[in-house]
Amino acid sequence: AQSVTQLGSHVSVSEGALVLLRCNYSSSVPPYLFWYVQYPNQGLQLLLKYTTGATLVKGINGFEAEFKKSETSFHLTKPSAHMSDAAEYFCAVSLGNAGGTSYGKLTFGQGTILTVHP
Amino acid sequence: ETGVTQTPRHLVMGMTNKKSLKCEQHLGHNAMYWYKQSAKKPLELMFVYSLEERVENNSVPSRFSPECPNSSHLFLHLHTLQPEDSALYLCASSQDLPGPYGYTFGSGTRLTVV
Repeated sequence: AQSVTQLGSHVSVSEGALVLLRCNYSSSVPPYLFWYVQYPNQGLQLLLKYTTGATLVKGINGFEAEFKKSETSFHLTKPSAHMSDAAEYFCAVSLGNAGGTSYGKLTFGQGTILTVHP
Repeated sequence: ETGVTQTPRHLVMGMTNKKSLKCEQHLGHNAMYWYKQSAKKPLELMFVYSLEERVENNSVPSRFSPECPNSSHLFLHLHTLQPEDSALYLCASSQDLPGPYGYTFGSGTRLTVV
């Protein structure tokens, strides 16, 4: 079984400031971890993912996330926020290679709405 | 056309109407999903189809009726809906065992029940 918790349903930053969106997970086997972004009235778009290998992963639009097994975290960061980053962000977890028939089935967090002020 | 396509993008219907939402994917995937996204609520997984068979139905009211005629198409038939059913309905697709690839989402249908 797996679950994911996003800390903070709303995050507000100034343009040019650091963006930090928090995600913690639990998983019975080594997980796959994903961040999706959703712009208003759009579907979810994959931002980045961790499956195996390097724990720091880079995604689109300058975002990156670091898998920290000891902290069961996968926080999303961007050094400098842009107005176009305003959106809702979803963290998701799935069971990795040992997940059997649930291999890769996603469980989503509650979402974090990012607001960027000029 | 590639990706996951949902039609219509917007739908307004009365409580006594019958309508259908359509989802189509051209990615060669063999699992498809319906999600409901309401304001200030988490994503709700409604139905999962794998290899054209329904494998998951998360206590969804019978006024929502899914249909998956083949691995490329998924429908959600709607009848006698309630105002609280107004939401963004998202379709997604994946491989039967998605592995490290995640899901691909459509742009959604914004449904308003009046």
